Amino acid sequence: DAKTTQPTSMDCAEGRAANLPCNHSTISGNEYVYWYRQIHSQGPQYIIHGLKNNETNEMASLIITEDRKSSTLILPHATLRDTAVYYCIVRIPNAGNMLTFGGGTRLMVKP
Amino acid sequence: NAGVMQNPRHLVRRRGQEARLRCSPMKGHSHVYWYRQLPEEGLKFMVYLQKENIIDESGMPKERFSAEFPKEGPSILRIQQVVRGDSAAYFCASSLPSGLSLYGYTFGSGTRLTVV
Repeated sequence: DAKTTQPTSMDCAEGRAANLPCNHSTISGNEYVYWYRQIHSQGPQYIIHGLKNNETNEMASLIITEDRKSSTLILPHATLRDTAVYYCIVRIPNAGNMLTFGGGTRLMVKP
Repeated sequence: NAGVMQNPRHLVRRRGQEARLRCSPMKGHSHVYWYRQLPEEGLKFMVYLQKENIIDESGMPKERFSAEFPKEGPSILRIQQVVRGDSAAYFCASSLPSGLSLYGYTFGSGTRLTVV
């Protein structure tokens, strides 16, 4: 799996958009970008994934650059419950390819 | 099916005892993964199983740890002769078979093992 680089921590004001960047400059053509988050003491939670097009679901939006070397996860209206560690992972979507978690970004949403 | 079910949620063992952690995957999921998270650290892959088969155990300590996923029943992670360093959160995840796992894994809520 391609290596990803994320900032260690970020702050965001409640109600504002949280933009979490991820660099994956060595991503290969068949690797997808996945985002998970882990709220304190809970199991990781799937957020969104994409290959090359921008994606949106009820939780977030994923913006992938045209060269696919970086992406941004956007939480449009962050709430206190979005405080968590956010993991950007690139992988081929095959059950045999384990999810490899790096350090992630610790997002703190402040009132 | 409410998702991936792990039990117990909390487990306390004395040094030298055995710990058994159980994981029931989501309905229709035939692949199970175990991860360990030490206090204040990231998630580390331990083992990947399909029914009655261990596919990848490259992250599992060579001694005292074993895992199984029998034809019937939950997957079991077994830790023999526990030591204080085994205190951690153990998470189980499940997925669809290869080629259908586009959405990645679904994780359980974890078992928090405390060795006293």
